[in-house]
Amino acid sequence: AAGVIQSPRHLIKEKRETATLKCYPIPRHDTVYWYQQGPGQDPQFLISFYEKMQSDKGSIPDRFSAQQFSDYHSELNMSSLELGDSALYFCASSLGLRLEYGGRYGETQYFGPGTRLLVL
Amino acid sequence: GESVGLHLPTLSVQEGDNSIINCAYSNSASDYFIWYKQESGKGPQFIIDIRSNMDKRQGQRVTVLLNKTVKHLSLQIAATQPGDSAVYFCAENIFGVGNTDKLIFGTGTRLQVFP
Repeated sequence: AAGVIQSPRHLIKEKRETATLKCYPIPRHDTVYWYQQGPGQDPQFLISFYEKMQSDKGSIPDRFSAQQFSDYHSELNMSSLELGDSALYFCASSLGLRLEYGGRYGETQYFGPGTRLLVL
Repeated sequence: GESVGLHLPTLSVQEGDNSIINCAYSNSASDYFIWYKQESGKGPQFIIDIRSNMDKRQGQRVTVLLNKTVKHLSLQIAATQPGDSAVYFCAENIFGVGNTDKLIFGTGTRLQVFP
């Protein structure tokens, strides 16, 4: 079965440079999420998109921006990189929220292999 | 989730034994929980999930138990194998702005399987 694809897998940048991370969701998944995972830490939610619109923001620095395109792939743009931005960045995709029986139900998020960003 | 830095809680088990990994969650309104397995340098891999209208769900060699009274989840792995060695995270799916959701991860547990 097709999985979430992320590119590049590894990225080395200097301080104050910019980086662009790409995510291709599982086919027919319309919701994309970005998470950041520091060394030895749990993944932290950054931002999400549903049907090409930004849905929610977490602890994402103002230096970061993201968007979802018409083919549902998403890009995370990171500017003025700092040493502390070194981390694993994961993209996840899902079918979003299911609305039925008067309630809302989350669907499973499937994660990509991640991009390891190292800022020197 | 609360970070413990580089010193993740570790569970060491012998191959063939059963493993139990525990997790506490914080949001009493959460109604969907997922266990993920993460091998070194890889993305979290879905293992099993459970919704709040259940207290137990079984998969192949894995069982998840949910105790809503004390906001506690556990993952049981039967006949643990070397390939089960990884970091395990529980995650609660919570609703965000509007009709959106996101995952809040608990502190991971490193499972080490020795022969």
